[in-house]
Amino acid sequence: NAGVTQTPKFQVLKTGQSMTLQCAQDMNHNSMYWYRQDPGMGLRLIYYSASEGTTDKGEVPNGYNVSRLNKREFSLRLESAAPSQTSVYFCASSHLGVGNGYTFGSGTRLTVV
Amino acid sequence: ELKVEQNPLFLSMQEGKNYTIYCNYSTTSDRLYWYRQDPGKSLESLFVLLSNGAVKQEGRLMASLDTKARLSTLHITAAVHDLSATYFCAVDIGGTSYGKLTFGQGTILTVHP
Repeated sequence: NAGVTQTPKFQVLKTGQSMTLQCAQDMNHNSMYWYRQDPGMGLRLIYYSASEGTTDKGEVPNGYNVSRLNKREFSLRLESAAPSQTSVYFCASSHLGVGNGYTFGSGTRLTVV
Repeated sequence: ELKVEQNPLFLSMQEGKNYTIYCNYSTTSDRLYWYRQDPGKSLESLFVLLSNGAVKQEGRLMASLDTKARLSTLHITAAVHDLSATYFCAVDIGGTSYGKLTFGQGTILTVHP
């Protein structure tokens, strides 16, 4: 029972490089999310996808793009990484309306130098 | 703009003692979640509170929700070392923001022998 799988787990980028964080869930959830976690600030929503084919901005979307490839997969892309994007990124999924809460992936620790 | 505030942010407890973590939020909501995070790990769902007056208990932890006061509490009974972790509350205000969680800053709990 894999739940939510994120890759990679760790990544170091140089300023200006691009990369894509991958997320896949096997729970048949309709909604998926990308959060970033910075010290002392809890988690902040970057983008979310309420259902396959839809995406919307969260609280801190600048510098990011997303793709909901299919029901299982939701990727986060950094087109031109900046040191301010150094953070831990979590993908999550949920089945809205069921009230079972959200399942989080194990996180990607990204450092931009 | 929804604000979610936890207090205390740091909590050092002795084993066997009781304590309460408070989660205040600024906008009407009847969906509140509690999560636990161990260092370097993902978030683990503890409680899902979906109505005013909801109370849920699991082991030494009990969570409650007062939607009129916009307050949730996480009560720890007879703390043990294994409860040392960071605890987050998160609020979903519904409506056009349905499904999007806003997190508190987190409470770092350390339980000492």
